[in-house]
Amino acid sequence: EDQVTQSPEALRLQEGESSSLNCSYTVSGLRGLFWYRQDPGKGPEFLFTLYSAGEEKEKERLKATLTKKESFLHITAPKPEDSATYLCAVHRGLTFGGGTRLMVKP
Amino acid sequence: KAGVTQTPRYLIKTRGQQVTLSCSPISGHRSVSWYQQTPGQGLQFLFEYFSETQRNKGNFPGRFSGRQFSNSRSEMNVSTLELGDSALYLCASGEAGGSADTQYFGPGTRLTVL
Repeated sequence: EDQVTQSPEALRLQEGESSSLNCSYTVSGLRGLFWYRQDPGKGPEFLFTLYSAGEEKEKERLKATLTKKESFLHITAPKPEDSATYLCAVHRGLTFGGGTRLMVKP
Repeated sequence: KAGVTQTPRYLIKTRGQQVTLSCSPISGHRSVSWYQQTPGQGLQFLFEYFSETQRNKGNFPGRFSGRQFSNSRSEMNVSTLELGDSALYLCASGEAGGSADTQYFGPGTRLTVL
């Protein structure tokens, strides 16, 4: 059974304070790891798909990396508008982690 | 390209009633998946449809059902509603529905069961 665990559950940062979110997974043959951002009351917004260990993808202040056991979402110099819940998931019939609630204070 | 649309956006029902939710995928997408999101359980997979066939199913009771039409639009039905069915129901569409296929989510339908 696929399992996904995200840490920390919540993270408070000052504007400009870089940090990383962790997503640990257990699957029988990874076929895709997905990162989403979700604002309150809205549907998840797609950020990245990673397919193999060593792969990295970037978008503005976000960078996602993948190893054989975990993925990291690095946030560089965050801004208040980056405040959201970040979700990672594996596979079709996506199995989601519990998410990390990120709050960036100005 | 228009995104995934879901109707209605908000719904209030009473216990024992049934409800039907609708989802229109992104144009050209043939896979539609449904998810339930609650504060306690997070995002949980309900089922996936591809070319009008249910291809994958999560661990939910038979009260939850769905279907997909030839134009890829999908409906989800919940019968004999329970208080615990109150949730945000999300629909996601993908191009081909494979395990590596990226899914794009709609805004969700907020269901409240009284």
